Amino acid sequence: GEDVEQSLFLSVREGDSSVINCTYTDSSSTYLYWYKQEPGAGLQLLTYIFSNMDMKQDQRLTVLLNKKDKHLSLRIADTQTGDSAIYFCAESSNDYKLSFGAGTTVTVRA
Amino acid sequence: GAVVSQHPSRVICKSGTSVKIECRSLDFQATTMFWYRQFPKKSLMLMATSNEGSKATYEQGVEKDKFLINHASLTLSTLTVTSAHPEDSSFYICSAEDRGNIGGYTFGSGTRLTVV
Repeated sequence: GEDVEQSLFLSVREGDSSVINCTYTDSSSTYLYWYKQEPGAGLQLLTYIFSNMDMKQDQRLTVLLNKKDKHLSLRIADTQTGDSAIYFCAESSNDYKLSFGAGTTVTVRA
Repeated sequence: GAVVSQHPSRVICKSGTSVKIECRSLDFQATTMFWYRQFPKKSLMLMATSNEGSKATYEQGVEKDKFLINHASLTLSTLTVTSAHPEDSSFYICSAEDRGNIGGYTFGSGTRLTVV
């Protein structure tokens, strides 16, 4: 079955870059996603990458995909206090179901 | 963009009663919706896939008689927690697949259920 793993915590200083890492096991993954969850709220799609791409940039967000190593990362440039949240990595394959990692809690300190 | 409305956002109910949670796609049609459960500081656990006009597909270990799912229209799926008990207290989140939008899984804002 699918297995998605990510580090649980990240503390970063305001203005620095944050890098959140994720590994997955399903080689048939078609899309990989990053979601953001603020306290008591649902999930907000931040960005996604198709499995035949190795990089995607969207304003402050950069996603890197190493398909050979099944490694996905999300880089947030110039991290702000509003970026404090839980970030979930997720993957989907042909059955359209999403498999989520446990979430990385990002804390931005002044 | 695609919006999914989930209602209620919070509900407190007595043990033994049933609670219905609604998930609506507001500006797109969703033939498939998903229901997740999230435990504190944990990831989302997929409970079931809700298919419009047919029976839901439940994940292993999820009691279908406990968690009733109805997807009667292309914009509405409901999850009813029957005979709720304190261990059913959790955060429930729905999502809808917007096939007109690449990478399009849109999530509702979640429902915090507390059973007392």
